[in-house]
Amino acid sequence: SQQGEEDPQALSIQEGENATMNCSYKTSINNLQWYRQNSGRGLVHLILIRSNEREKHSGRLRVTLDTSKKSSSLLITASRAADTASYFCATDALTGANSKLTFGKGITLSVRP
Amino acid sequence: DGGITQSPKYLFRKEGQNVTLSCEQNLNHDAMYWYRQDPGQGLRLIYYSQIVNDFQKGDIAEGYSVSREKKESFPLTVTSAQKNPTAFYLCASRPRGRDSRNEQFFGPGTRLTVL
Repeated sequence: SQQGEEDPQALSIQEGENATMNCSYKTSINNLQWYRQNSGRGLVHLILIRSNEREKHSGRLRVTLDTSKKSSSLLITASRAADTASYFCATDALTGANSKLTFGKGITLSVRP
Repeated sequence: DGGITQSPKYLFRKEGQNVTLSCEQNLNHDAMYWYRQDPGQGLRLIYYSQIVNDFQKGDIAEGYSVSREKKESFPLTVTSAQKNPTAFYLCASRPRGRDSRNEQFFGPGTRLTVL
């Protein structure tokens, strides 16, 4: 079953603009992660935010987490054509040592040069 | 794609044949995972293994089998019982520990097409 639901499904912006992607989930989590996938490739981890954190930054990435609303957002500032990819949120539920991630369906981001 | 390799990159098989996808990692990670990705879809967990000689079914294990005889290897067999095997298969690994940091490292994937 897929826990995370990203929104929008597709996003097209101009280079230099900011891109905001949202993720909602259903059950309690230990942490939430965002991954990027270039076409036909494996996923690359971008950023992890723990359930007791509200905001985190990494370079041009900013992620927020609202556990009361069970939602997260990923902001990419000053986007570049190279940011064109699919972005997935993944939740790590409270499953102890057998922790595993549940992925959403992803958001396709197109950045026009 | 880190220290995880998957082979082959493209694989074709005839209906009714079993096929094994390779996944090797040199990251010394304890946990390994197999996912299936269909077009426009997210990743669905097939099997995972937290330690050598142990593995658990994921959400869509039917028609698949795995083994974990060595820490660095986690091969996936797609059997003839899998009714719709054409998909992109991704392997991942993660260091196992009590730290809540739980990022997974992915291989480049194998695209399986059933003819």
